[in-house]
Amino acid sequence: DTAVSQTPKYLVTQMGNDKSIKCEQNLGHDTMYWYKQDSKKFLKIMFSYNNKELIINETVPNRFSPKSPDKAHLNLHINSLELGDSAVYFCASSPDRANVEAFFGQGTRLTVV
Amino acid sequence: AQSVTQPDIHITVSEGASLELRCNYSYGATPYLFWYVQSPGQGLQLLLKYFSGDTLVQGIKGFEAEFKRSQSSFNLRKPSVHWSDAAEYFCAVGAMNRDDKIIFGKGTRLHILP
Repeated sequence: DTAVSQTPKYLVTQMGNDKSIKCEQNLGHDTMYWYKQDSKKFLKIMFSYNNKELIINETVPNRFSPKSPDKAHLNLHINSLELGDSAVYFCASSPDRANVEAFFGQGTRLTVV
Repeated sequence: AQSVTQPDIHITVSEGASLELRCNYSYGATPYLFWYVQSPGQGLQLLLKYFSGDTLVQGIKGFEAEFKRSQSSFNLRKPSVHWSDAAEYFCAVGAMNRDDKIIFGKGTRLHILP
């Protein structure tokens, strides 16, 4: 009965590969997010979707492409992975886009070698 | 745009001692304010939030925070810490503008001495 679940939890891959991280929430929320946490624990928002519509798109390389097939799912696809993409990626959801609190998944630790 | 500062990167307190973690924000109107905790290898868990009303808010695990508009602060407190409180603590600020995002501080790592 996990509220926000991400898969996989760990991902180790070589430079140049393409990988996806999946996220699902069963809270009935309208808004979902992807955050990146770097090695210094700094959390930075990447994308936000509201009811499958992209509403926040921070300055990230276009190798990163989010996809929301429905409002309960927000996947993150990354092309041509680079060493600097190594980080923990967190999915989160909130009831709507009005900045109420976000509920976070457990994170996906991506290591690019 | 809003911003949030956590001045202390690391804080060390003895078990049983009181705790205060500092957070300062910048926003032109009344912000939405949050404290999250992240245990090692885990996601973020909401401790408490302030939207409006009483400026002293109570959260889970015995934490509280006080919103002080005059100081642009939202400090987190706990009267007596437990070893299990060792974690990373993040202050965050949101805005009433529906398309603004929640901004996180850089975190404060709390260490507990036995």
